[in-house]
Amino acid sequence: GENVEQHPSTLSVQEGDSAVIKCTYSDSASNYFPWYKQELGKRPQLIIDIRSNVGEKKDQRIAVTLNKTAKHFSLHITETQPEDSAVYFCAASRSGNTPLVFGKGTRLSVIA
Amino acid sequence: DGGITQSPKYLFRKEGQNVTLSCEQNLNHDAMYWYRQDPGQGLRLIYYSQIVNDFQKGDIAEGYSVSREKKESFPLTVTSAQKNPTAFYLCASSTRTGQGNTEAFFGQGTRLTVV
Repeated sequence: GENVEQHPSTLSVQEGDSAVIKCTYSDSASNYFPWYKQELGKRPQLIIDIRSNVGEKKDQRIAVTLNKTAKHFSLHITETQPEDSAVYFCAASRSGNTPLVFGKGTRLSVIA
Repeated sequence: DGGITQSPKYLFRKEGQNVTLSCEQNLNHDAMYWYRQDPGQGLRLIYYSQIVNDFQKGDIAEGYSVSREKKESFPLTVTSAQKNPTAFYLCASSTRTGQGNTEAFFGQGTRLTVV
């Protein structure tokens, strides 16, 4: 089955700097790669996703890149703000309503 | 107002008791999922259902049971066979489009504590 590895497990950045979180996946049939943000005690919420037919996607300060050959994808947050502090999860799945397989998460702290 | 609702928010269980966590969605999603979240472990899949009256075990199904009698509902029972049930439980649902899988929407979670 699918296995998703996520690094780093914790990340501290100064406000205004960029943050990068990386994930690798094992199943070459996976074609959907979402990123979720979870604030303390809250539900995970989708912040951006990418499909395997696209190499990069941007939404304001957030971007995701996908390298299908190497089976890795990354989340990039620019101009970080204190409200970006949260746990971020990457995930991967195949088509057909198959379950998402999650990485173990990255705790991002943005220091003002 | 569409969404996915879990109840209760907090649940306390005595050793040896079964408890049932509720999950209801009005998003008309076919697929529903149960994940368990422990610190540093990410989200691990317990059970999932892609259609009414059908469900499959996930990676950590031992000690849990589910049913899917209605499209809107996917309750999870934590049985006494689950040796370490204290955790944060998240229910999710998703649908499928011509492009493939879509976003999974999560409920607000149930925090289960064994006392």
